[in-house]
Amino acid sequence: AQTVTQSQPEMSVQEAETVTLSCTYDTSESDYYLFWYKQPPSRQMILVIRQEAYKQQNATENRFSVNFQKAAKSFSLKISDSQLGDAAMYFCAYRSLTGNQFYFGTGTSLTVIP
Amino acid sequence: DSGVTQTPKHLITATGQRVTLRCSPRSGDLSVYWYQQSLDQGLQFLIQYYNGEERAKGNILERFSAQQFPDLHSELNLSSLELGDSALYFCASRREASTDTQYFGPGTRLTVL
Repeated sequence: AQTVTQSQPEMSVQEAETVTLSCTYDTSESDYYLFWYKQPPSRQMILVIRQEAYKQQNATENRFSVNFQKAAKSFSLKISDSQLGDAAMYFCAYRSLTGNQFYFGTGTSLTVIP
Repeated sequence: DSGVTQTPKHLITATGQRVTLRCSPRSGDLSVYWYQQSLDQGLQFLIQYYNGEERAKGNILERFSAQQFPDLHSELNLSSLELGDSALYFCASRREASTDTQYFGPGTRLTVL
């Protein structure tokens, strides 16, 4: 089974600063999808951003962007101009092109300091 | 609002009891996933259904079962409940197009006393 590793259980960032959350994964497949989900205190799981492995261009959604390094099997999330509302648990997830199951990391808890 | 609905929002019950959690997927989504998230834990994949058929199975206990009905809503049945079953149970749905991700419902918080 594929594994997804988030090595930072907790991170903190000053409001308006930039923070990067790390994610690595293990797969033998060449085509797959990667996702970042946000889980705020409400516990709702919210899709933040997704990346198709066949696309070399890094995905961007407003203040959120990824650094996708396919050879290194790395998929980090950069949050620019951090806001108090960004405080949440962030989960990285993987799905193969043809697979049904999503594999999640253990999450990184992000604190935003005013 | 993701379009995925789950009922009930909260459920409190006693050990040894049986409960049913319900999920309605987004309109047009054929696939339903169930996850368990214990306190301060990641998401544990339980089971997936696609158009009424079981498609993938994860770490689902034998005391747990699920099904998906012709109208595509799904139910997760938890029986002989134990204290350790207390968790947040999420349902997610997906359209099954190769590029589509899954969208999560708000979850059902189960407390077993």
